[in-house]
Amino acid sequence: GDSVTQMEGPVTLSEEAFLTINCTYTATGYPSLFWYVQYPGEGLQLLLKATKADDKGSNKGFEATYRKETTSFHLEKGSVQVSDSAVYFCALRDSEPNFGNEKLTFGTGTRLTIIP
Amino acid sequence: DAGVIQSPRHEVTEMGQEVTLRCKPISGHDYLFWYRQTMMRGLELLIYFNNNVPIDDSGMPEDRFSAKMPNASFSTLKIQPSEPRDSAVYFCASSEEGQGLVYGYTFGSGTRLTVV
Repeated sequence: GDSVTQMEGPVTLSEEAFLTINCTYTATGYPSLFWYVQYPGEGLQLLLKATKADDKGSNKGFEATYRKETTSFHLEKGSVQVSDSAVYFCALRDSEPNFGNEKLTFGTGTRLTIIP
Repeated sequence: DAGVIQSPRHEVTEMGQEVTLRCKPISGHDYLFWYRQTMMRGLELLIYFNNNVPIDDSGMPEDRFSAKMPNASFSTLKIQPSEPRDSAVYFCASSEEGQGLVYGYTFGSGTRLTVV
């Protein structure tokens, strides 16, 4: 079945550091890939997405590239801020079966803390 | 659109009492999902509906949990009787048929349940 494996947390970085959160997946078909972010006390919000191989999703300075050859979708940001402190979830939605299957498979989440 | 609306935001109840959580999905969305989030188990899919019909309830932990979707704009998750181990944040999410590959889900802000 489908699965998503995320980098274990928590991750603590200093402000302006470079961030990478690793995500790899297994899927039956040709999945779409997502990163969600959860700020303290809030629900999950879609951060970025990629729907096919070699696509790059980007938003708020974050980027992730859909790498089919390595089945990966690593999240990166060049210079993190305190306001980026949150929990980040990698997720996939498989293309198979196509109809009646809108279920997202989530990773376990990675807690990120940025210190000033 | 107001997004996915959940109520209440916080619920504190005594063990053995019935608890009902409510969700209003985004208008026009065909799918509705109930998730539970805990520190120990992360984000768990409990059940999801398509056009008001339950599709997969394999994540419902036991018979004390039940979910209904009487119409396209309302769903409930009920726990009877509640136990302290049910304490968690419960999220509702919705998506549109065929759009999951592109847009993923929209989550509500969650209900934090505490059973004492």
